[in-house]
Amino acid sequence: RKEVEQDPGPFNVPEGATVAFNCTYSNSASQSFFWYRQDCRKEPKLLMSVYSSGNEDGRFTAQLNRASQYISLLIRDSKLSDSATYLCVVNMGGSYIPTFGRGTSLIVHP
Amino acid sequence: DVKVTQSSRYLVKRTGEKVFLECVQDMDHENMFWYRQDPGLGLRLIYFSYDVKMKEKGDIPEGYSVSREKKERFSLILESASTNQTSMYLCASSLDRGKLYGYTFGSGTRLTVV
Repeated sequence: RKEVEQDPGPFNVPEGATVAFNCTYSNSASQSFFWYRQDCRKEPKLLMSVYSSGNEDGRFTAQLNRASQYISLLIRDSKLSDSATYLCVVNMGGSYIPTFGRGTSLIVHP
Repeated sequence: DVKVTQSSRYLVKRTGEKVFLECVQDMDHENMFWYRQDPGLGLRLIYFSYDVKMKEKGDIPEGYSVSREKKERFSLILESASTNQTSMYLCASSLDRGKLYGYTFGSGTRLTVV
């Protein structure tokens, strides 16, 4: 079983839609979690950290479900510019190096 | 903002050549990383360094070496380039190995080995 799993998509949604991605992780001792955004042929950029209590940044909401071992990213009122690949990153307990998921592709169309 | 600079955006090298990929960060971070990214495989860690002259193998170190002579610079070396090393190479820097503060990536070097 992969340590960090994401549905590769693509998720194809119209502008204005709400879309959510999940990312599951296998190590229950995982300590910290992030979402990164990667535009086509560009580098990943940190989008947001995921806190135990959940956190929100504008149209983006990240949540952690430790019991079911997944994190989620919710995007409200999707914009064309949200089209990108979203990578989840999990820092496993006892390991100093984060593990990246393979990413979920989002395409927002007019 | 932390800036991570990779020396080349695109490189074309011949099989068997020795290739140097340079990465420089300007925020005094101790932790630096080299990844390669391939379609369908995601990001794979090649090497990382948590201090000057210190290096640790990642998941796929074969065919690569690294050098960290100065804190701000982390170099990836392909000893004898092969076509299966054609890839996007990403350097990253972190204050704390990415546990709390995440990574800042360079803009990547797209290497083609012919």
